[in-house]
Amino acid sequence: DAGVIQSPRHEVTEMGQEVTLRCKPISGHNSLFWYRQTMMRGLELLIYFNNNVPIDDSGMPEDRFSAKMPNASFSTLKIQPSEPRDSAVYFCASSLVGGYNEQFFGPGTRLTVL
Amino acid sequence: DAKTTQPNSMESNEEEPVHLPCNHSTISGTDYIHWYRQLPSQGPEYVIHGLTSNVNNRMASLAIAEDRKSSTLILHRATLRDAAVYYCTPGGGADGLTFGKGTHLIIQP
Repeated sequence: DAGVIQSPRHEVTEMGQEVTLRCKPISGHNSLFWYRQTMMRGLELLIYFNNNVPIDDSGMPEDRFSAKMPNASFSTLKIQPSEPRDSAVYFCASSLVGGYNEQFFGPGTRLTVL
Repeated sequence: DAKTTQPNSMESNEEEPVHLPCNHSTISGTDYIHWYRQLPSQGPEYVIHGLTSNVNNRMASLAIAEDRKSSTLILHRATLRDAAVYYCTPGGGADGLTFGKGTHLIIQP
C-alpha cells in the first residue's frame, strides 16, 4: 500500500489567495484526520471524519478554513483567504473505525503564506 | 482532554535501553495511552498503545502504572534511527489525537 498520500508537498502562496490541500487515505480506512503543526502551537487536530461525515471540527481555527470528504478516497482542506499565520505543515492521517486503530500519517504539506 | 507532562529532551547512547516517562494524572477511565513518534521532516508514526496492562510490540514496550496516572515507553536497544520526538497522548481509540510538546530523544553513537 502506498500509505496516505498528500498533495502538494510544498505550497507557497500570497496572502489573500485560496489554498487547497489534498489527501488520499489508505484504501479501506474510513476515518480521516487533518492536523496542523507549527513551532509555536505544536501538533493540533483540526477536524476528523468517520465514513465521510465530519465528527469533530472544533479545532478548525476560523471560518476561513473548510474541509470536505466527498468520498472515501479523497479529502480536501481549503483556506480562503489565506494569511501568513496559516503557514504550517498540514498532516492528513487515516485509520479504521471501530475499537482501537492506530492512525497512519501522510508526509505532510508545508504551506508558506507570504 | 487529559493533560500530559513529558521531559523536553532526553539523551541516550546507542544500543542502550531508553525509558521515556509520561505523566497523565487527569486521564479518564476509558482513555487509551497512545505513544507516537515523529522523525525529522516526517509525519508522526504510531509506536504503541495500552489501556491498563503493560504491552509489548516489535518497536517498544509500554509500562503503565497501576493507577494509570503515568506510563513509561521503553526502547530496549536504542539505535540512531530512534532519534525523534516521542509523544504520549491519552485519548479514545478512534478519536483525533491531542499532542503535547513531546520528548526530544537524542541518541549518541
